[in-house]
Amino acid sequence: EPEVTQTPSHQVTQMGQEVILRCVPISNHLYFYWYRQILGQKVEFLVSFYNNEISEKSEIFDDQFSVERPDGSNFTLKIRSTKLEDSAMYFCASSEGAEKLFFGSGTQLSVL
Amino acid sequence: GQQLNQSPQSMFIQEGEDVSMNCTSSSIFNTWLWYKQDPGEGPVLLIALYKAGELTSNGRLTAQFGITRKDSFLNISASIPSDVGIYFCAGQDSGTYKYIFGTGTRLKVLA
Repeated sequence: EPEVTQTPSHQVTQMGQEVILRCVPISNHLYFYWYRQILGQKVEFLVSFYNNEISEKSEIFDDQFSVERPDGSNFTLKIRSTKLEDSAMYFCASSEGAEKLFFGSGTQLSVL
Repeated sequence: GQQLNQSPQSMFIQEGEDVSMNCTSSSIFNTWLWYKQDPGEGPVLLIALYKAGELTSNGRLTAQFGITRKDSFLNISASIPSDVGIYFCAGQDSGTYKYIFGTGTRLKVLA
């Protein structure tokens, strides 16, 4: 069964460093998302991406965040200068028609 | 902003019992999704609901889209130990691609 793949599964970084989280969405899907989940809390929307542009973003998704679909298969989330409060599990999701969202297993980001 | 509140927040049940949990919002949603999350994993889609009043089943799971479009419930019949996890509802309103997630219901099943 097709699935959303995320790498790395764990990322440890120093505060102020840049990180790139990578995702390979399901191949025929057209809508892509990033969500995050701080430990013990609910899943929070960050950004949605369709037709090679951001369609919506939350207030969390400030200028330090960016997304890219560089080559037609990968979908990346970049955090330019990480802060302690960016520590969370980051989930990529994709959807064929913006109806059912399918999630990857996540990247656990720890900012020290 | 939009908020989805789930109740109960957590529940402990005996294996074999039926479970009911719900999700309510002050806003109308056009689509509801129910997910299960195991520790350290991503949410796994259980059921999708697209129409007010719709009742949909997936094995031992049954979910309903409330008539007012502001709520949804999920029932699990004859619970088993692997039902343990956190259950999230997620709602999508018209004109948007994003889903807002609920606060979650943590389920523990005692064998």
